[in-house]
Amino acid sequence: QSVLTQPPSVSAAPGQRVTISCSGSISNIGNNYVSWYQQFPETAPKLLIYDNNKRPSRIPDRFSGSKSATSATLGISGLQTGDEADYYCGTWDSSLSAVVFGGGTKLTVL
Amino acid sequence: QVQLQQWGAGLLKPSETLSLTCAVYGGSFSGYYWSWIRQPPGKGLEWIGEINHSGSTNYNSSLKSRVTISVDTSQNQFSLKVNSLTAADTAVYYCARGERSFDSENFQYFYHMDVWGEGTTVTVSS
Repeated sequence: QSVLTQPPSVSAAPGQRVTISCSGSISNIGNNYVSWYQQFPETAPKLLIYDNNKRPSRIPDRFSGSKSATSATLGISGLQTGDEADYYCGTWDSSLSAVVFGGGTKLTVL
Repeated sequence: QVQLQQWGAGLLKPSETLSLTCAVYGGSFSGYYWSWIRQPPGKGLEWIGEINHSGSTNYNSSLKSRVTISVDTSQNQFSLKVNSLTAADTAVYYCARGERSFDSENFQYFYHMDVWGEGTTVTVSS
């Protein structure tokens, strides 16, 4: 059971926009910044979003992040088949003094 | 460009000890938190623990009794040991570089992992 809650799967058609939610509590998302990771099969996760809404320079602006209270959201616009991957949210949990992740969301581009 | 190279035994028996090492190339070792994360087959990411260049550690409470993370700053390496292995420890193990700092204005922690190793598959089987 993951500390952060994500939907197991989401799907949308190419060109559309999809959002992935990540729900937590005061001790993690509520009081700390959130990051998002993209993972393709058989490869290591890659940082996608950090500090709630910042993108590493190599990440296109089709990817966006936001946070409100104890929930965070990853948005992907202009969906491409190459975006099919697993997406994880993560943050620091101040009560646990630990990094916590969501269970992951599998994105299917129909 | 920072790169993490990891290695260690991939096939172990129940009750044995897992030992993995991660070397940091091309960047500073100090100022970061160096983590181990694992991913069981078909499942999500599980953070195991972290260490900084001073040797200060934090562990996942569910694994703390069996885990030791150590650092060798002379070699820019950090290591993971997990003892008393069972089949449930079968997973891909990743090392990663973490950046953590405190936003004193908003009283929140920044944290993210921006560089990852390629992963080591560890199978525990008799």
